[in-house]
Amino acid sequence: DIQLTQSPSFLSASVGDRVTITCRASQDISSYLAWYQQEPGKAPKLLIYAASTLQSGVPSRFSGSGSGTQFTLTISSLQPEDFATYFCQQLISYPWTFGQGTKVEIK
Amino acid sequence: QVQLVQSGAEVKKPGSSVKVSCKASGGTFSSYTINWVRQAPGQGLEWMGKIIPVFGTTNYAQKFQGRVTITADESTSTAYMELSSLRSEDTAVYFCARVVSKSGSYSHFDYWGQGTLVTVSS
Repeated sequence: DIQLTQSPSFLSASVGDRVTITCRASQDISSYLAWYQQEPGKAPKLLIYAASTLQSGVPSRFSGSGSGTQFTLTISSLQPEDFATYFCQQLISYPWTFGQGTKVEIK
Repeated sequence: QVQLVQSGAEVKKPGSSVKVSCKASGGTFSSYTINWVRQAPGQGLEWMGKIIPVFGTTNYAQKFQGRVTITADESTSTAYMELSSLRSEDTAVYFCARVVSKSGSYSHFDYWGQGTLVTVSS
């Protein structure tokens, strides 16, 4: 199985901060990576797919980059509604796997 | 607008089975590929398997092979996930989600159900 390791697991930041979350794959996954945001008690919401393509309707402060084994999700200016947990997911080989999550909390 | 609406919360005894439904609307169900993902309390996301309703073909995560059965009924635009031999570790929220295919490869999960809490307790 392909392991996805996110760092950090927990992040404390302030409104307006630039935030970067990393997702490292245990083997080459090309660009078959998606990012999701999950608020407590809700289903995940798609942010980015194909490593860097912004899903329609998602604010442009979110961006993704990377390929192969190293990926990043960047929030250019953190907003109050961005405090949530973020997951990466690979879809290149079964079983499709997710990172363990990064919880972004208010400083 | 595509919507996936799941059945309500369940409480089950260890050793029993649970069947969760996921009804789709707002699109063409036969063109979907529906996945099941679970999330134990305070934990991450775990993919269980998927089905292509128009073909009835399934893929399951090895971890759940033999215990999970995913089916679909095109006449009602509904997908089902049945998990058997339940144990306390199966207590989780179960989500259905649609996966998008681009250029012949799967890309991302764009629509999700609201989740169904399954509690396994004696």
